[in-house]
Amino acid sequence: AQSVTQPDIHITVSEGASLELRCNYSYGATPYLFWYVQSPGQGLQLLLKYFSGDTLVQGIKGFEAEFKRSQSSFNLRKPSVHWSDAAEYFCAVGVNSGTYKYIFGTGTRLKVLA
Amino acid sequence: DVKVTQSSRYLVKRTGEKVFLECVQDMDHENMFWYRQDPGLGLRLIYFSYDVKMKEKGDIPEGYSVSREKKERFSLILESASTNQTSMYLCASSSQGGGYTFGSGTRLTVV
Repeated sequence: AQSVTQPDIHITVSEGASLELRCNYSYGATPYLFWYVQSPGQGLQLLLKYFSGDTLVQGIKGFEAEFKRSQSSFNLRKPSVHWSDAAEYFCAVGVNSGTYKYIFGTGTRLKVLA
Repeated sequence: DVKVTQSSRYLVKRTGEKVFLECVQDMDHENMFWYRQDPGLGLRLIYFSYDVKMKEKGDIPEGYSVSREKKERFSLILESASTNQTSMYLCASSSQGGGYTFGSGTRLTVV
C-alpha cells in the first residue's frame, strides 16, 4: 500500500541554522512528490514538487529537496532558517490508481529559536 | 491570483445537525478534494471528484457525502454531525496530474 512517513513530529532549530526534514514514501511506480507548508490557522502552500528529471528540486522561500530513489526519500532542506519558517511541513506523494490523488504524511512541526 | 475559497473559516454546529461546507475554485480545475486534518494524523482524504457529478470515496468517507453540480463548486455534507467530526476541513483543487491548490480551511466544532 502507498504511504508517506515523516519520522520527526517536532523539530527545533536556532535561527540561522541549517534544516533538514525527512520524508520516506512507499509507492511502486515513479512517484510525484511534494512538500507543503502550513502556517497556523492557514491552508497548505506548495513549497516544491518533483515529477521527473533533476533529482534536486528548488522551491520557494529558499527551500530545496532531493529525490533519492534508492532510499525512497524526498528530504526537504534549507541552509539557513528564518524565524518566519516556523510552521508545519507536510510531504505528499501523488498516486495514480485510476484517478490521481495525494497521500500525505502526518507532518513535522518546526520551531525556530531566536 | 488563483483561488480556492472555503465559505467559512469557523463553524460551530450542534450534534445531529446537517452541515454544509462549501468550496469554490476559479481555476477551471477538473479535480476537487476534501480532506480533514487532525493533530498527529495529518491529512486524510474524505471524498474527491474528477468531473461534474462524479465522486469517489477517499479513505474516510463514513458520515460524509459530497455534491458537485458545477465544475467550480464542491460541497461536503455532514448528514448528522457528531462530535468526532470536529476537525479542520481542507478543500483542494488540481488539474489532471498537477499540484494541489488548497483553500484556507474550515475549522468545524460540533457540540
